[in-house]
Amino acid sequence: EPEVTQTPSHQVTQMGQEVILRCVPISNHLYFYWYRQILGQKVEFLVSFYNNEISEKSEIFDDQFSVERPDGSNFTLKIRSTKLEDSAMYFCASLQGHGYTFGSGTRLTVV
Amino acid sequence: ELKVEQNPLFLSMQEGKNYTIYCNYSTTSDRLYWYRQDPGKSLESLFVLLSNGAVKQEGRLMASLDTKARLSTLHITAAVHDLSATYFCAVDSMDSNYQLIWGAGTKLIIKP
Repeated sequence: EPEVTQTPSHQVTQMGQEVILRCVPISNHLYFYWYRQILGQKVEFLVSFYNNEISEKSEIFDDQFSVERPDGSNFTLKIRSTKLEDSAMYFCASLQGHGYTFGSGTRLTVV
Repeated sequence: ELKVEQNPLFLSMQEGKNYTIYCNYSTTSDRLYWYRQDPGKSLESLFVLLSNGAVKQEGRLMASLDTKARLSTLHITAAVHDLSATYFCAVDSMDSNYQLIWGAGTKLIIKP
């Protein structure tokens, strides 16, 4: 069964550093998403991406965040200057029809 | 604004018992989803419900949707320990550009 692949599975970074979280969505899916989940809390929408551009973004997705699909396969989330409160699990998802497929997530720890 | 409320948020039950998790949402949605999450793991899709009266079953789990009441239920029949997890409902709609809006999750603990 096709999978959404995320790397790395866990990243520890110093506050103020830039991080790039990587995702390889399912190849024939057209809609891509980033969600985050702070430990023990609910899942929150960050951004959706369609036709090589952002289609929707939440209030969380401020100027520190950006997304790219640089090569037609990878889908990246960049956080320019990480804060302690960015520590969370970040999930990539892609959508085809009625089904969202989620990656296994990247646990980001900002110290 | 589309909002989703789940209850209960925490549920401890004995094996063999039945129970129901409720999911209310605030405005018209196109689709309702149920997901399972084990600690530290990803989100596993359980059900997608598309229309009023939809009912889906998989093993000991059954989900239903009442779009008029804006309510979905996840019913657990004769619970077993392996069903211990956190269960989330989520909805999306064309109005929200198909972003998933999530409930807070129900942490289910099933004791032997």
